[in-house]
Amino acid sequence: IQMTQSPSTLSASVGDRVTITCRASQSISGWLAWYQQKPGKAPKLLIYKASSLESGVPSRFSGSGFGTEFTLTISSLQPDDFATYYCQRYNSYWTFGQGTKVAIK
Amino acid sequence: QVQLVESGGGVVQPGRSLRLSCAASGFIFSTYGMHWVRQAPGKGLEWVAVIWYDGSNEYYGDSVKGRFTISRDNSKNTLYLQMNSLRAEDTAIYYCARPSDSGDPFYYSMDVWGQGTTVTVSS
Repeated sequence: IQMTQSPSTLSASVGDRVTITCRASQSISGWLAWYQQKPGKAPKLLIYKASSLESGVPSRFSGSGFGTEFTLTISSLQPDDFATYYCQRYNSYWTFGQGTKVAIK
Repeated sequence: QVQLVESGGGVVQPGRSLRLSCAASGFIFSTYGMHWVRQAPGKGLEWVAVIWYDGSNEYYGDSVKGRFTISRDNSKNTLYLQMNSLRAEDTAIYYCARPSDSGDPFYYSMDVWGQGTTVTVSS
């Protein structure tokens, strides 16, 4: 199963609503996670089971989707959110998307 | 607090071997499966291997199958990755990561990550 994210790079401003899409080459039900990674740091879990917010993660982050199409939405982009985001499927195997870099416009 | 600390990285020649370690603390290590994930310079994340909480099962990514071996010592709260026949394309930061729940690691994301250890394969 391949995981494809779009876009690869996204330029946005503070306060913008941002949406990142992740598509699976076949159904993974809801077994999808989203991670945030900043330069020189380990990934951080944001969302699991497609739409469940990890403890401590700000509520401006949300996830949706099921089957083959998923989205990560940041409702109002904050300065701390400029980073690279990865989706990951974890239904008895683990595959990451190629990443989406959210850059300052 | 829950913590994972990797070690063992370094510069190694192609074809040689290296063993990475991941020391766990702050949780009951023997009840969790564990993963290795790597990231080549400037590239995305690649899942490498997983081991069951009791060492009874192991799975590997296609790019390392037959060359890498994941193992653990629950008495030492330590995870290992033995890397043989290293290639230039194995150059990466290697992270250990914990599934978000204990038991069978299938169907769990990764909620705790180490800081990573860097492996460079070069002559």
